[in-house]
Amino acid sequence: EPEVTQTPSHQVTQMGQEVILRCVPISNHLYFYWYRQILGQKVEFLVSFYNNEISEKSEIFDDQFSVERPDGSNFTLKIRSTKLEDSAMYFCASSKKDRGVDGYTFGSGTRLTVV
Amino acid sequence: QKEVEQDPGPLSVPEGAIVSLNCTYSNSAFQYFMWYRQYSRKGPELLMYTYSSGNKEDGRFTAQVDKSSKYISLFIRDSQPSDSATYLCAAGGNKLVFGAGTILRVKS
Repeated sequence: EPEVTQTPSHQVTQMGQEVILRCVPISNHLYFYWYRQILGQKVEFLVSFYNNEISEKSEIFDDQFSVERPDGSNFTLKIRSTKLEDSAMYFCASSKKDRGVDGYTFGSGTRLTVV
Repeated sequence: QKEVEQDPGPLSVPEGAIVSLNCTYSNSAFQYFMWYRQYSRKGPELLMYTYSSGNKEDGRFTAQVDKSSKYISLFIRDSQPSDSATYLCAAGGNKLVFGAGTILRVKS
């Protein structure tokens, strides 16, 4: 079963530091996403990415956030200057091209703790 | 108004029971309706998705959508202790809007 791989599984960082969360989407998928889930809260959409550009972003995804597909396999989320409220599980997801939700698969997540 | 509403439970049922999980949504533009299962501190695992009103069956699971009333349901037949998890409904297109999740406990 193909899967979305995320690293690291847990990241602890000091407030104000930059973090990069990494994801390897399923190889034949062309749509990529980041979501986050604050402990005890809903899974929230952050950003979608297709054809090397952002296709949609939420109001959470402000100037502190950026995404990149640096090569043919990785998809990264960068938070430039972390805040305490950025502590959450961050999930990467990917889906096939022809129908947006076909095979819409999530990774196991990166737990980000900002101290 | 929340876009996708879901009763968080917890819902506790005996093994073998039929489970009914429900969500409502407000945005008529939503095209796809999904059900995910999530275990503690893990990523959502896709169970089923549908595009149109009606039922879709996969083994013990049936997803039901009623677009006229904006209602999404998931039925689990012959529930097992291994079905104990949080069940998330989601709706949208490429961007998914999630419900709060219903915690299900199946007691043996």
